[in-house]
Amino acid sequence: GAVVSQHPSRVICKSGTSVKIECRSLDFQATTMFWYRQFPKQSLMLMATSNEGSKATYEQGVEKDKFLINHASLTLSTLTVTSAHPEDSSFYICSASGGEAIQETQYFGPGTRLLVL
Amino acid sequence: AQSVTQPDIHITVSEGASLELRCNYSYGATPYLFWYVQSPGQGLQLLLKYFSGDTLVQGIKGFEAEFKRSQSSFNLRKPSVHWSDAAEYFCAVWGDDKIIFGKGTRLHILP
Repeated sequence: GAVVSQHPSRVICKSGTSVKIECRSLDFQATTMFWYRQFPKQSLMLMATSNEGSKATYEQGVEKDKFLINHASLTLSTLTVTSAHPEDSSFYICSASGGEAIQETQYFGPGTRLLVL
Repeated sequence: AQSVTQPDIHITVSEGASLELRCNYSYGATPYLFWYVQSPGQGLQLLLKYFSGDTLVQGIKGFEAEFKRSQSSFNLRKPSVHWSDAAEYFCAVWGDDKIIFGKGTRLHILP
């Protein structure tokens, strides 16, 4: 149980285009989903937290107009990188939590590798 | 502010040897602590967590960790490593409504 999927696993796009990444909780309802960014050989940095049906809460320094997050249902959240540039190339990871307590264990997706040319 | 320090960027051990990965945290209250493993091409997998109670926590894959409040540590241990344990290991603490990760320790296994 507690499986989280991400799609696509890998995407290459041209500079200036937008890319959408999907995160799905397959066997549980995710009241909260988190989006992380991981640079090579570095830790995961939280970008934003989203609760179903409400606006995402972005971490300091993350451009909300560039990284659009939608959490329209209890099993799906999407991250759209708008007008992507080479510096947006990274590994994006989502996680989902279904517990009532916010510190409940997060279950992580396999990640999406984005390369912007 | 909450923080997590993993002092060792890389650790190399021989297969069958014991393992200890260090983790120190900074948090004002009783921390919620986690250890995750990240293997190439796979998502982060939770090895174990500490919320309260017994300070020696058993996890999956034969791992355990001990919470020591006096040392602000939550070190991960395994008595005998397997080649399949080669991966990146992240210690994390819950704080400010989010998980804060350490920078990770890359574990290498010698045959």
